[in-house]
Amino acid sequence: DIQMTQSPSTLSASVGDRVTISCRASHSINSWLAWYQQKPGKAPTLLIYKASTLESGVPSRFSGSGSGTDFTLTISSLQPDDFATYYCQEYNNYPYTFGQGTKLEIK
Amino acid sequence: QVELVQSGAEVKKPGSSVKVSCKASGGTSNNYAFTWVRQAPGEGLEWVGHIIPLFGTPSHAQKFQGRVSISADESTSTAYMDISRLRFDDTAVYYCAIMGGVWESQRFLQHWGQGTLVTVSS
Repeated sequence: DIQMTQSPSTLSASVGDRVTISCRASHSINSWLAWYQQKPGKAPTLLIYKASTLESGVPSRFSGSGSGTDFTLTISSLQPDDFATYYCQEYNNYPYTFGQGTKLEIK
Repeated sequence: QVELVQSGAEVKKPGSSVKVSCKASGGTSNNYAFTWVRQAPGEGLEWVGHIIPLFGTPSHAQKFQGRVSISADESTSTAYMDISRLRFDDTAVYYCAIMGGVWESQRFLQHWGQGTLVTVSS
């Protein structure tokens, strides 16, 4: 199975900050990577797919980059609604493994 | 806009079985590709498996081999996940999701259900 490792596990930041979350795959997954946002008690929502394609309706302050084994999710200017947990997921090889999550907290 | 509605919460005893349903509506196609993901209390997301009715055979994570059965009824756009021989550590919220499409490049999870809490308790 491919292992997906996110860093950091927790991130403290302030409104207006630029933040970056990393996701590393144990083997190449080409660009078959998605990012999700999850708020407490709610289902996840899709932010980005194919490593860098923004899902319809997602604010442009979210962006993704990378290919192969190293990927990043960037939020250019944090808004109050962005404090949540973020997960990456590969969909190149079964099982389609998720990263362990990055909790974005208010500083 | 695709909407997924899952069946209600369940409380089950260890060793028993549970069946969770997920009905899709609102899309332009009936060729939904369903995925099941679970989340134990306070934990991250775990891919359970999926079924693409167009291709027939479901796939699931090896750790669930022999205990999980995923099926779909195309006529009602409904997916089912059946877990047998339940264990305490199967306690989780189970989400269904629809993939972006049926091909490998489209298997991100585009629409999600509200989740179904399955509690395994003696």
